[in-house]
Amino acid sequence: DQQVKQNSPSLSVQEGRISILNCDYTNSMFDYFLWYKKYPAEGPTFLISISSIKDKNEDGRFTVFLNKSAKHLSLHIVPSQPGDSAVYFCAASPGSGGGADGLTFGKGTHLIIQP
Amino acid sequence: DGGITQSPKYLFRKEGQNVTLSCEQNLNHDAMYWYRQDPGQGLRLIYYSQIVNDFQKGDIAEGYSVSREKKESFPLTVTSAQKNPTAFYLCASSIRTGTILKGYTFGSGTRLTVV
Repeated sequence: DQQVKQNSPSLSVQEGRISILNCDYTNSMFDYFLWYKKYPAEGPTFLISISSIKDKNEDGRFTVFLNKSAKHLSLHIVPSQPGDSAVYFCAASPGSGGGADGLTFGKGTHLIIQP
Repeated sequence: DGGITQSPKYLFRKEGQNVTLSCEQNLNHDAMYWYRQDPGQGLRLIYYSQIVNDFQKGDIAEGYSVSREKKESFPLTVTSAQKNPTAFYLCASSIRTGTILKGYTFGSGTRLTVV
């Protein structure tokens, strides 16, 4: 039973345009969400997070939107750059205590930025 | 610079052998985690530890064992009971208390191949 779903295994976007990566979750106990970026043969690196008390969090070119009623979040990257080509993982945690019990990850979306 | 070090980066094991993957952090983080990544499977939690001398099974703990004798170290042993050990293994750590603003810090991973 997959609690965090990223239904698009891959996404191709032209350089300079907006990239939108989607994530759905089923566990209503989740209240903290994170996005990670991963290059091949490397560990994931933290990108941006959002608490369930917010519906938007922005950091430079990256914005995460959260729709709690739909149990859906999305990551917007604008403008997309070649270095953004990577696998993006959505992750969720229950409780504001900080996910010390282990984050639940989606399967990832491979973002490809085309010149 | 603080961080997480995983070693070795590549590891080859014969069938029927146990092998131990190293994970060391100097971030003074309380919690540490082991994840496994398989193609198309995302990251799955094997074991986690919130404090020294305590650890909990994750979603796919069968065939694995861990120890947490020191705060800085969380080695993972892949035993001969693990039926499909070939995978990319990731270690991570986090501050246990308070909200996770930056999520987990991941190591660079160990690729284990059974030959």
